[in-house]
Amino acid sequence: GQQLNQSPQSMFIQEGEDVSMNCTSSSIFNTWLWYKQEPGEGPVLLIALYKAGELTSNGRLTAQFGITRKDSFLNISASIPSDVGIYFCAGRNNAGNMLTFGGGTRLMVKP
Amino acid sequence: DGGITQSPKYLFRKEGQNVTLSCEQNLNHDAMYWYRQDPGQGLRLIYYSQIVNDFQKGDIAEGYSVSREKKESFPLTVTSAQKNPTAFYLCASSVPSTGFFEKLFFGSGTQLSVL
Repeated sequence: GQQLNQSPQSMFIQEGEDVSMNCTSSSIFNTWLWYKQEPGEGPVLLIALYKAGELTSNGRLTAQFGITRKDSFLNISASIPSDVGIYFCAGRNNAGNMLTFGGGTRLMVKP
Repeated sequence: DGGITQSPKYLFRKEGQNVTLSCEQNLNHDAMYWYRQDPGQGLRLIYYSQIVNDFQKGDIAEGYSVSREKKESFPLTVTSAQKNPTAFYLCASSVPSTGFFEKLFFGSGTQLSVL
């Protein structure tokens, strides 16, 4: 199946710092989604992107749909301890209904 | 409140045993999905169902079976043919939007371990 490369795999940052993570694909996607998963729970949708170049915010989170349609970025500003979790990107192309998920970025925040 | 309920939260399987994971949703969603999550890895699709009495294999369907007799329910059976069943299993649902399914809503997951 398709592969989404998500980086970094993990981050350990100080509270208050900004965070950036990205997701890249070898093929074009029409939709990019960003999810957050807390320990022992299912992922929760954070942001959905539908157009190349689109920039969407959700509170301190901002995500962008890359111009090439092969990548997406998620930024978290002024991180807080409750930002801890695994952040997954997911993409969909026009070949089918299903989402392809990245391997996740594990974020740890030191108070 | 509407949502997706997975049970049990933790499940143990003995060698050669089939086990069934429950997934119920009251969101009136048409599509339901089962994903498998292994530590440090992304989600991999096992099976999905777009409507009642219909389901399709995902990327890793071998050793698993499903049924969709009711819109609200999509149970997953992990059969003895699945040789490495230890994983976190996630059920999800979604509604059709602009011609394709998206915005998955996930349950809280079931951790399956082998005794």
